[in-house]
Order: sequence, then C-alpha cells, then structure tokens
Amino acid sequence: GIQVEQSPPDLILQEGANSTLRCNFSDSVNNLQWFHQNPWGQLINLFYIPSGTKQNGRLSATTVATERYSLLYISSSQTTDSGVYFCAVGSSNTGKLIFGQGTTLQVKP
Amino acid sequence: EAGVTQSPTHLIKTRGQQATLRCSPISGHTSVYWYQQALGLGLQFLLWYDEGEERNRGNFPPRFSGRQFPNYSSELNVNALELEDSALYLCASGRQGTDTQYFGPGTRLTVL
Repeated sequence: GIQVEQSPPDLILQEGANSTLRCNFSDSVNNLQWFHQNPWGQLINLFYIPSGTKQNGRLSATTVATERYSLLYISSSQTTDSGVYFCAVGSSNTGKLIFGQGTTLQVKP
Repeated sequence: EAGVTQSPTHLIKTRGQQATLRCSPISGHTSVYWYQQALGLGLQFLLWYDEGEERNRGNFPPRFSGRQFPNYSSELNVNALELEDSALYLCASGRQGTDTQYFGPGTRLTVL
C-alpha cells in the first residue's frame, strides 16, 4: 500500500518564525489533504491539494504530484499554530485516507 | 453550516462489552468515513459508507461494524471490546463525487 512519510517529526519555533513541513508519498494519489489536530483531537481541514499551490492567510501548500511530495508553509507562526499537522493521501475509489505520522509543532511565545 | 457531529464525547466500557458510536454528517454529504486513532498506531481507516452501503473496509476484525441510515447518519459498533480498542474514533463526511473529508470532534473510547 501507499506509504506516507512526514518530516520533521517534531518542530519547536519562536513566535513569528516561518516553517516548512514536508510530506512524501510512495505512489500516485488523487487526494491529498493537510490537517491540523487541535488539543481536543479534532482534525481541522487546512487544504485539499492533490496538485498545485494554494494559500490561506499565513498558510500555504504546494503539491508536486509527479515527484510525490507536498509542502505546508506556515509564516509568522503564532502560539495557536501549535499542535499536530497531518498529511493524508488517498484515491477516490477507495474512500480511504492514509495518514502520515504527523509533525508536532510547538510555537513558543 | 453545521459541521460533523459525534456522540458521545467520551465512552467508558469494560472488556467484553459492546460500544455504539454515532455520527451525523454535514448536511448534503452522503458519505461517512470512520477512523481509529490509537496511541502509537496513528490514524487508521476503518469503514466507508455511502448512500447506505458499506463501500470499503480497513484492516479491522469483524467485531467492528456499522451502518448508515437513510438520513446519512451512521453508527459504529464495536463488539467484544478489548483493551486495545481504547482510542479516539473519528468520523468524517464527504459530498458524493468529491474527495475532501471533513472530520468531527471524535469519541474517546476507554476500555477498562
């Protein structure tokens, strides 16, 4: 099956710093989503981005499907950005999202 | 637009009992997905329902089952509970013909 690898596993930043999170996947996909898991466990949708680039405020994401990776950029980080960021991939005929192990981000004031 | 809702928030059971978890999708969504997030095992796909039918199933034993009702809400049943079933169970919904999954707040199941 498809393997999803996220890096780095842990990241500590000072407030205001920028960061890049990476997601590598082992096979072609037609579904790629980025999520932020809040302290209560809920997965918050950040991007649906099987290819191309999207931006939403301080967050942006790029997926290069031909090279099987996606990047999530966080600019001017805030303490509220802390939490676990997951990349998940899948194909539409299975309904199944395969999650990476996540990147745990801590933003210090 | 209301999001995906799940109930109960927390559930405590003893080994061997049965647990029932409920999920209501976003209005207009016909697909419901269930995932398990257990400590050390990450997020794993359990089940996919669409239009009342089970469409796909993850690598879980048959004591994990569910159904989808005519109003597209769903139940996940876990029979003969084992200690390792303790986990956060997340439900997601999606619109037919699209891939984006939207997640609910989860049910935290503890098996004693």
